[in-house]
Amino acid sequence: DIQMTQFPSTLSASVGDRVNMTCRASQSVSTWLAWYQHKPGKAPKFLIYAASKLGGGVPSRFSGSGSGTEFTLTIDSLQSDDFATYYCQQYDSYMCTFGQGTKLEIK
Amino acid sequence: EVQLVESGGGLVQPGGSLRLSCAASGFTFSGYWMTWVRQAPGKGLEWVANINQDGTQTYYVASVKGRFTVSKDHANNLLYLQMNSLRGEDTAVYFCARGGPGGLYFDSWGQGVLLTVSS
Repeated sequence: DIQMTQFPSTLSASVGDRVNMTCRASQSVSTWLAWYQHKPGKAPKFLIYAASKLGGGVPSRFSGSGSGTEFTLTIDSLQSDDFATYYCQQYDSYMCTFGQGTKLEIK
Repeated sequence: EVQLVESGGGLVQPGGSLRLSCAASGFTFSGYWMTWVRQAPGKGLEWVANINQDGTQTYYVASVKGRFTVSKDHANNLLYLQMNSLRGEDTAVYFCARGGPGGLYFDSWGQGVLLTVSS
């Protein structure tokens, strides 16, 4: 199975900051990589697919990059609504896997 | 508007069985992959099972293979997860989600339903 590792586990930032978080795959997943935002008690929200393509309605301050085994989610000009946990997910295989998440908290 | 609404959760004893349902609306159910994802208390998201458009292909995480069965009812736009031989580690909020048009990412999610396995 393909293992996904995210870091950092926790990221502290302020409104208006630019933040990056990383997702690493145990083997190449090409660009079959998605990102989600999740808040407690809510449904996860789809953000990015194919490593860098924005889902419909997702603000342009979110962007994704990378291919192979290393991927980055960038959020420009953080808004208060962006504080949440972010997960990457590989879909190179029918046996999907998620990373363990990066919790973005207010500094 | 795409809507996914899970139901069927509750408290079950270890070794017991339960079936979760996910009612889908707002899209052509038979045209999409569907999935179940879970989140145990204090943990991250864990993919559980995928099923293809016509229900002929299913895939499971190793920890549930042989115990859980995912299926689709196209007549009623329902996704199911039959869970047998339940264990404490199956305690989680279970989400159903729709596969995207370009691959097995999940572009719409339900609100989730809680399963508690405990004596």
